[in-house]
Amino acid sequence: AQSVAQPEDQVNVAEGNPLTVKCTYSVSGNPYLFWYVQYPNRGLQFLLKYITGDNLVKGSYGFEAEFNKSQTSFHLKKPSALVSDSALYFCAVRDPPSGTYKYIFGTGTRLKVLA
Amino acid sequence: EAGVTQFPSHSVIEKGQTVTLRCDPISGHDNLYWYRRVMGKEIKFLLHFVKESKQDESGMPNNRFLAERTGGTYSTLKVQPAELEDSGVYFCASSRGLAGGPAYEQYFGPGTRLTVT
Repeated sequence: AQSVAQPEDQVNVAEGNPLTVKCTYSVSGNPYLFWYVQYPNRGLQFLLKYITGDNLVKGSYGFEAEFNKSQTSFHLKKPSALVSDSALYFCAVRDPPSGTYKYIFGTGTRLKVLA
Repeated sequence: EAGVTQFPSHSVIEKGQTVTLRCDPISGHDNLYWYRRVMGKEIKFLLHFVKESKQDESGMPNNRFLAERTGGTYSTLKVQPAELEDSGVYFCASSRGLAGGPAYEQYFGPGTRLTVT
């Protein structure tokens, strides 16, 4: 069965330090991978995606993610965290051969950036 | 372009009552999805419309949930009768049809927080 795991419920990082939010996946076939962010009282906002090509993908707000097929991971990273990055982050996968476009999400990781 | 909108933003109802959630997708998006997040858990897929047709409703929990998308524009999700375990945040998302671009990139609305007491 397809699944996505976000092993950390919460990640704390000091402002200016690098941050990593972890995601691993299990799908059949080649995965389409996504990161979304949810700010308080807002909807899910698209950050970035991996479909094919370069394993390092760059997205909105200075975020990037590295696709690692051997480790089945797609960790979200940012070189220098901002207090405004504090939010709830969701990793998602879509298995293209399935014929439907539904996403499978992880449980979310709350990022707290401390001033 | 206007984003995905959902109404209401919050709803508090008693067990046994009926609630109807509405989603207006981005104009021109053929694909519309409903998802739900129960407190602290993952966001789970409920169903997928292509225009007015149900493409995949494998995630609908039971027959107390009824989704419609008449005319292929906005969609409603009715819960009747509501139970305590239906509480959560209901998200709607939309994406373009195959002819209009990458169908797999979904745009989400702000969600409706449903509380059943």
